[in-house]
Amino acid sequence: DAKTTQPTSMDCAEGRAANLPCNHSTISGNEYVYWYRQIHSQGPQYIIHGLKNNETNEMASLIITEDRKSSTLILPHATLRDTAVYYCIVRGFQKLVFGTGTRLLVSP
Amino acid sequence: SAVISQKPSRDICQRGTSLTIQCQVDSQVTMMFWYRQQPGQSLTLIATANQGSEATYESGFVIDKFPISRPNLTFSTLTVSNMSPEDSSIYLCSVEEQRTGYTFGSGTRLTVV
Repeated sequence: DAKTTQPTSMDCAEGRAANLPCNHSTISGNEYVYWYRQIHSQGPQYIIHGLKNNETNEMASLIITEDRKSSTLILPHATLRDTAVYYCIVRGFQKLVFGTGTRLLVSP
Repeated sequence: SAVISQKPSRDICQRGTSLTIQCQVDSQVTMMFWYRQQPGQSLTLIATANQGSEATYESGFVIDKFPISRPNLTFSTLTVSNMSPEDSSIYLCSVEEQRTGYTFGSGTRLTVV
């Protein structure tokens, strides 16, 4: 499974866009990039995933570089409830392997 | 997406005892996954449970310590055996879904004293 690298922590002001980067330079051609978040020791919550095209849903947008070696999760208007640990995961065969994630703190 | 119910939600156990955690899904799923999250850490996959076959354990986890049952397509149990304080963690089950990749239960918070 490809390894991901994320910043340990990030801060964001409420109402502003939160841009969370992820490096996955060893990703294989058929591996998807998944993003999950975990709010205060609850079970991880699915956010979005993609293969090579940019994706958008009601929660966030996912931008994947053309070489697929990195991606960015965008929360367009962060709220205090978006404070969580965000995990970028490259999905291997039938299982998710979690890295250390980014702790996002959204402040008033 | 699937709804996962885990029981118990939390427990405090004496060292040397065992605890069985139940995971119930509201739909039939082929594969179920068990994770451990130690305090302040990320999630670590313990094993993958397929119905009708032995669970597949990740490196560092063994069946004698974490026996798993998968009697049908909607249910699984994970037992934490002969517990020590180092087993104090949150244990989560997860299922694979077509649209969202994986859905997780709310977890079982275990404290071993």
